[in-house]
Amino acid sequence: VQLVESGGGLVQPGGSLRLSCAASGFSFNTLWMNWVRQAPGRGLEWVANMNQDGSDKKYADSVQGRFTISRDNAQSSLYLQMNSLRAEDTAVYYCTSPFTVDNFQHWGRGTPVTVSS
Amino acid sequence: EVVLTQSPLSLPVTLGQPASISCRSSQSLVHSDGDTYLNWFQQRPGQSPRRLIYKVSNRDSGVPDRFSGSGSGTDFTLRISRVEAEDVGVYYCMQGTYWPPFTFGGGTKVEIK
Repeated sequence: VQLVESGGGLVQPGGSLRLSCAASGFSFNTLWMNWVRQAPGRGLEWVANMNQDGSDKKYADSVQGRFTISRDNAQSSLYLQMNSLRAEDTAVYYCTSPFTVDNFQHWGRGTPVTVSS
Repeated sequence: EVVLTQSPLSLPVTLGQPASISCRSSQSLVHSDGDTYLNWFQQRPGQSPRRLIYKVSNRDSGVPDRFSGSGSGTDFTLRISRVEAEDVGVYYCMQGTYWPPFTFGGGTKVEIK
């Protein structure tokens, strides 16, 4: 099982960024998928998730209306479009498999996002 | 939103000695399906988090049996029977019963004395 995030970087406040997560080694199209973030020196914060066919999406209040989660099952890829970025969005962003599946739970290595002028 | 409170914040432990971390929830984590979706994660320095325990007391594959989880309702505990050097890191509880949002505890840092 592999989850490989990409797309992070330095962006100015108010800017946009699109994160990607390439999944392999499991049946990506059968699972809900998550984004979780971790600000520097801080704890873990769930950001968003979506169901298998993309018809159901959930967001943390802190990103609702600014971030959009999406997926491409043909490419086994998960995405996070981040708009109107703020300094408090600075974090490492992780792609993860579902939290409630028995004996199967995986995280990527994360991609860092820095929002600063 | 379910709030998870972990204690202690920091836990210095002697190698070979046991360690215990508490996680208290602001409401019962028993799901309508009868399961309790309380997970424990380990994050070693510089690494991604890794799940150790799911549904209170079930170890994920490859997790050493020195790690165990227990509890019910609102009170949960992660125990390490004999701490090894590789156990250094931050441990988080997380609930998956009432979401969105999934919520994490604030973390407990385990270090060697």
